[in-house]
Amino acid sequence: SQQGEEDPQALSIQEGENATMNCSYKTSINNLQWYRQNSGRGLVHLILIRSNEREKHSGRLRVTLDTSKKSSSLLITASRAADTASYFCATAPLGGGGSNYKLTFGKGTLLTVNP
Amino acid sequence: NAGVMQNPRHLVRRRGQEARLRCSPMKGHSHVYWYRQLPEEGLKFMVYLQKENIIDESGMPKERFSAEFPKEGPSILRIQQVVRGDSAAYFCASSPGVPIRGPGYGYTFGSGTRLTVV
Repeated sequence: SQQGEEDPQALSIQEGENATMNCSYKTSINNLQWYRQNSGRGLVHLILIRSNEREKHSGRLRVTLDTSKKSSSLLITASRAADTASYFCATAPLGGGGSNYKLTFGKGTLLTVNP
Repeated sequence: NAGVMQNPRHLVRRRGQEARLRCSPMKGHSHVYWYRQLPEEGLKFMVYLQKENIIDESGMPKERFSAEFPKEGPSILRIQQVVRGDSAAYFCASSPGVPIRGPGYGYTFGSGTRLTVV
């Protein structure tokens, strides 16, 4: 398996419900980021959480990070049809110099919010 | 405040042709990163460039692929003699420098170029 794996692979919910996506990774990280990608479009940066943070909020988004379990979750509350997209987690490695600029992405979770 | 501009948005090439993908970073950004997204996959790092320098090309296939970021003009990802397996979305990201607060800060992604090889 690879760094930054999301689950579930696909999630379908009704508008107004909450959506939770999970991400697991293998190596030590400096930070973990979540991105959204609408079908056929580019990536939109949603939120970044540092390795020394446990929880972060941004609007309807809540991200948690558990470095002991090497996992993160993204919660979208009160979902809307416009939230329909693929969501990716990306990890940035720990350590100065070297290859600390590389982001490692998972395969993503496809979220469908039905009106 | 234009973001990272990639063109073309869609590119169709026949097997054996050359593909040139262009990326203009955000204003003030001097670092460019190319990623490739194969169908149903996440993005994979290809190459990291600064003006006139290739810093890390460890993710680039050994043959047929090259990248440059000249002093003037956009960064170019060049694929020679394309094959069907090159069909993918190619994304460019830029940053203002080595992120002070840590890796990944300040990255902005473009909308990508979708290459189809027929």
